[in-house]
Amino acid sequence: GAVVSQHPSWVICKSGTSVKIECRSLDFQATTMFWYRQFPKQSLMLMATSNEGSKATYEQGVEKDKFLINHASLTLSTLTVTSAHPEDSSFYICSALGGTSGSLDTDTQYFGPGTRLTVL
Amino acid sequence: RKEVEQDPGPFNVPEGATVAFNCTYSNSASQSFFWYRQDCRKEPKLLMSVYSSGNEDGRFTAQLNRASQYISLLIRDSKLSDSATYLCVVKRGGYQKVTFGTGTKLQVIP
Repeated sequence: GAVVSQHPSWVICKSGTSVKIECRSLDFQATTMFWYRQFPKQSLMLMATSNEGSKATYEQGVEKDKFLINHASLTLSTLTVTSAHPEDSSFYICSALGGTSGSLDTDTQYFGPGTRLTVL
Repeated sequence: RKEVEQDPGPFNVPEGATVAFNCTYSNSASQSFFWYRQDCRKEPKLLMSVYSSGNEDGRFTAQLNRASQYISLLIRDSKLSDSATYLCVVKRGGYQKVTFGTGTKLQVIP
C-alpha cells in the first residue's frame, strides 16, 4: 500500500510555456498532499500544502499565481508551473499523507517518484 | 539559525562499520520526527519514524532527545547499499508544517 505516482516523470519545455504535473495516491485517499522542489545538491523545499476541496497554502516566497495547485479529489493533486522560465528547472516531488486507511500511518508522508522539469 | 540542521558530510565509512548521524531542531513545538533516505535523483523514502522511547529496525536505531532537541540515527554493520543521503524531517503543529534537513551523505566503501 501507500503508492504515490507522478506524471510526467520528466519534461522539457520552452520558456514561457505552462507545465502540469499530476500527483496521484493510487491505493489510498489523501486529504492532504504536499508539493516540494529540490535543486541539485540541496534539500527538499516545501512549496505548498494542498488540501482536498480547498485552496492550497503556499510557503513564503512561493508565487501562488505562478505555481497553481488544484486538489480536486482525494486521490489527485496537480501542480501547474505557468509561464515557466529556466530558473524553474528543478525536481518537483509530491507527497501524500497516509490518510484514514487503517493500515497506513496518517503521520507519514508517502512520496511520489518526482518530476524533473527542464525549461530551455 | 535553521529550523533543522544536519552535518552534510560526506561520511565515508568502510563496510561493516557503525556510523551515527545527528540532527538538531530549533523549534521546541516540534511533534513528530522521521528519518528518510534519498538515493541520487530519486524521491525520499521513509526509513523510520523516531519515537520518544527510541526505536530500532534491524541495523538501524533512531533516538530522540527532546531536552537537547536532536534526533539521531545509528547504522550498524554498514552495507554498500546503505550509501545514500539521509534526511531528517521534523513536523510541528496542527498545520503539519514539515521541514526537511539538508541531508547527510553516507558513502560506504568496500
